[in-house]
Amino acid sequence: ETGVTQTPRHLVMGMTNKKSLKCEQHLGHNAMYWYKQSAKKPLELMFVYSLEERVENNSVPSRFSPECPNSSHLFLHLHTLQPEDSALYLCASSQQGTGKTYGYTFGSGTRLTVV
Amino acid sequence: AQKVTQAQTEISVVEKEDVTLDCVYETRDTTYYLFWYKQPPSGELVFLIRRNSFDEQNEISGRYSWNFQKSTSSFNFTITASQVVDSAVYFCALSGANTGNQFYFGTGTSLTVIP
Repeated sequence: ETGVTQTPRHLVMGMTNKKSLKCEQHLGHNAMYWYKQSAKKPLELMFVYSLEERVENNSVPSRFSPECPNSSHLFLHLHTLQPEDSALYLCASSQQGTGKTYGYTFGSGTRLTVV
Repeated sequence: AQKVTQAQTEISVVEKEDVTLDCVYETRDTTYYLFWYKQPPSGELVFLIRRNSFDEQNEISGRYSWNFQKSTSSFNFTITASQVVDSAVYFCALSGANTGNQFYFGTGTSLTVIP
């Protein structure tokens, strides 16, 4: 148990489906993140919620929609995905402080397969 | 620009051998942080170490050691007397003090320790 819990661990969905990934952190951190990990590519930052503000990577397609109802929960809503969206989606949390950067705590990820 | 390069894609060693994983970074920030993470087959990224740019002292933790050299912009990671449990993908990451929410990851080095 890492302190950051992601569900589900595995997800297979059709291109017309709508699904959501869930992330919950039990560490009292004030920032949460979604990362996409594709084979042989650097981890790609998708979204950041820090102090309840959202920062996003402008290259992320609109078929990915994040939601952060509070500092402990983060969702990634998925709709009309493409096969190339198949990847490992990692959630992370951290404590952001003035002038300091702390390490992330990652969840175990959701392995998404789009068919 | 912020960038992390891990030139070694895959490494295989025989158990008990020493192995060094290379990490080279680029940044314009004068204050920055460097990290190493381990990703075992289970998927989650496990935090190993954080080093700030003002501390070039090498660090040793058990069989792990890190060599930070600002002159060559490198932050290499050595595992001494490798074990099968060390088999994983290892990521080097960079975060600038002015971009506290943005981590830049390398593409990772997949280490296989052969018994």
